[in-house]
Amino acid sequence: KAGVTQTPRYLIKTRGQQVTLSCSPISGHRSVSWYQQTPGQGLQFLFEYFSETQRNKGNFPGRFSGRQFSNSRSEMNVSTLELGDSALYLCASGDLGVSTGELFFGEGSRLTVL
Amino acid sequence: GQNIDQPTEMTATEGAIVQINCTYQTSGFNGLFWYQQHAGEAPTFLSYNVLDGLEEKGRFSSFLSRSKGYSYLLLKELQMKDSASYLCAVRGSYNQGGKLIFGQGTELSVKP
Repeated sequence: KAGVTQTPRYLIKTRGQQVTLSCSPISGHRSVSWYQQTPGQGLQFLFEYFSETQRNKGNFPGRFSGRQFSNSRSEMNVSTLELGDSALYLCASGDLGVSTGELFFGEGSRLTVL
Repeated sequence: GQNIDQPTEMTATEGAIVQINCTYQTSGFNGLFWYQQHAGEAPTFLSYNVLDGLEEKGRFSSFLSRSKGYSYLLLKELQMKDSASYLCAVRGSYNQGGKLIFGQGTELSVKP
């Protein structure tokens, strides 16, 4: 069974630009969540999508948005990039019907904003 | 508010036992997770506790006390490959399936 796939793995942008990151969850998983990981803040929850609907949202500005498609693939977008958006963005999928409902993480997309 | 605390760094010797503690204060509780993350890699699932008590899985065990808001991860027979960051995370409620609140992580260094 293929794992969670994120693209691109690395990207460099400049302030003011926008970026779109993609995530393909494990086959059969309908929940896709996004997290931002930085050395200072650790893993911070961005949002969760379940069956194409945003089900939970973290405390990030409106510049951060996402969506989920009918095949459960998800994208997140960050507009008007700031230096502080430099981070590892992790996508996680889950089969929430199982007892543990653990999340499976992708390798992440490392964004550098110059 | 929601807060999860764990030590920033720990050092232990190969072959020894180490206990990584985690305390949490969350508005709800529907399970506590431990993840392992090697540098440059994705976090990988280690354990899950939703009821009080000890869950054992090979060299790794995890304990939960809901009344105390406390958990620990116990690693036995430490190996060099256990050097990694260990993340404690809490799920607040059943309908927050994909939303985990993470601690800052504990960086464990295993020395020969």
